[in-house]
Amino acid sequence: AQSVTQPDIHITVSEGASLELRCNYSYGATPYLFWYVQSPGQGLQLLLKYFSGDTLVQGIKGFEAEFKRSQSSFNLRKPSVHWSDAAEYFCAVGDNAGNMLTFGGGTRLMVKP
Amino acid sequence: DAGVIQSPRHEVTEMGQEVTLRCKPISGHDYLFWYRQTMMRGLELLIYFNNNVPIDDSGMPEDRFSAKMPNASFSTLKIQPSEPRDSAVYFCASSSPPGGEEEAFFGQGTRLTVV
Repeated sequence: AQSVTQPDIHITVSEGASLELRCNYSYGATPYLFWYVQSPGQGLQLLLKYFSGDTLVQGIKGFEAEFKRSQSSFNLRKPSVHWSDAAEYFCAVGDNAGNMLTFGGGTRLMVKP
Repeated sequence: DAGVIQSPRHEVTEMGQEVTLRCKPISGHDYLFWYRQTMMRGLELLIYFNNNVPIDDSGMPEDRFSAKMPNASFSTLKIQPSEPRDSAVYFCASSSPPGGEEEAFFGQGTRLTVV
């Protein structure tokens, strides 16, 4: 069965600092990997996705993520965080049969001024 | 397209009452998913449909929960009778079939409170 682990429940960074959110997955085949962001009271918005090809993927809002098969990881990064990035971030792995997603527990990001 | 539309946005009901949550997927999307989000369990897939047919309902917690998709543009998730532990945010999502764009687009959710 597939699973996703986000080791950090909360992260606080200063505005302008770099950010890395960790994600580890367990999946038997080549995974379909996603990062979603959820602002308070809102639905989930896709930041980026990896299906195949280049292991470094670029997303919206200046985010990127790198797929590392050897480490079963798909960490999300941003070089300079903005106050508006404060939200909860979810990593997910998709099933080949569609994209029934298995989500990690989420990482809540707080941004200090 | 207006995206995935869920209604109502908020629902407060008394224990034992029937609750119906509604979802309108993005036009042309063949897959529809219902997820539940709670503090304790995070985001869980309840059921998903392909071409209006339920494919996997193994995530439905118990018989009190049922979901239907009578046509390509509408789905319901029903809880009868509702219990306080059903309080959660329920999300609907839709996507296009494999081979095309596979990302799921989510609605804004229905926050259900059962008192």
